[in-house]
Amino acid sequence: GAVVSQHPSRVICKSGTSVKIECRSLDFQATTMFWYRQFPKQSLMLMATSNEGSKATYEQGVEKDKFLINHASLTLSTLTVTSAHPEDSSFYICSARDFIQGGGMNSPLHFGNGTRLTVT
Amino acid sequence: QQQVKQSPQSLIVQKGGISIINCAYENTAFDYFPWYQQFPGKGPALLIAIRPDVSEKKEGRFTISFNKSAKQFSLHIMDSQPGDSATYFCAASIDNYGQNFVFGPGTRLSVLP
Repeated sequence: GAVVSQHPSRVICKSGTSVKIECRSLDFQATTMFWYRQFPKQSLMLMATSNEGSKATYEQGVEKDKFLINHASLTLSTLTVTSAHPEDSSFYICSARDFIQGGGMNSPLHFGNGTRLTVT
Repeated sequence: QQQVKQSPQSLIVQKGGISIINCAYENTAFDYFPWYQQFPGKGPALLIAIRPDVSEKKEGRFTISFNKSAKQFSLHIMDSQPGDSATYFCAASIDNYGQNFVFGPGTRLSVLP
């Protein structure tokens, strides 16, 4: 089945530094990828929609200058947390739908395994 | 109207029992309803999904029941096992590759041995 690879799985960084998280679709093309943030024992909160070759669409309340998204190819999207602070510590997850299926019937969302970011 | 409601918030079931999780939605444009299973520290994984043109879908021990008129759907886990202990999210979407899913708040299932 379709696989989404997310890297790194865990990262610890110091306050004020930037961290880049990669999301790759391994066996399908993804025109659109989604980035989520998940707090402990809570549901997935959509941060932004990443569109290949164009600017990302951010959800209300998400700072686009802080969470930089780049979707340079049909198989790779990156999320960069700039000038990270302890309150940015969270579990970040990406997802993608299978472009090859054309978005038709039964096109599920495939998730990466998430990145646990800890800012000290 | 975009919200998906899910209950219960947590569920404890004995091994071999039936786990039932319920979801409800408002947006009648939704036409794809998946369930995701998430283990701690992992991303959600697709468990089973249904479209509104059928009332039930079964895959192994997992069954989705769908009531279009009531705008409700539920997940039934038969013969629940300790390995099923996880958080389950229902979701709803318009079946288009560019569309995001709306997720329910999740149900933490614990299956006791």
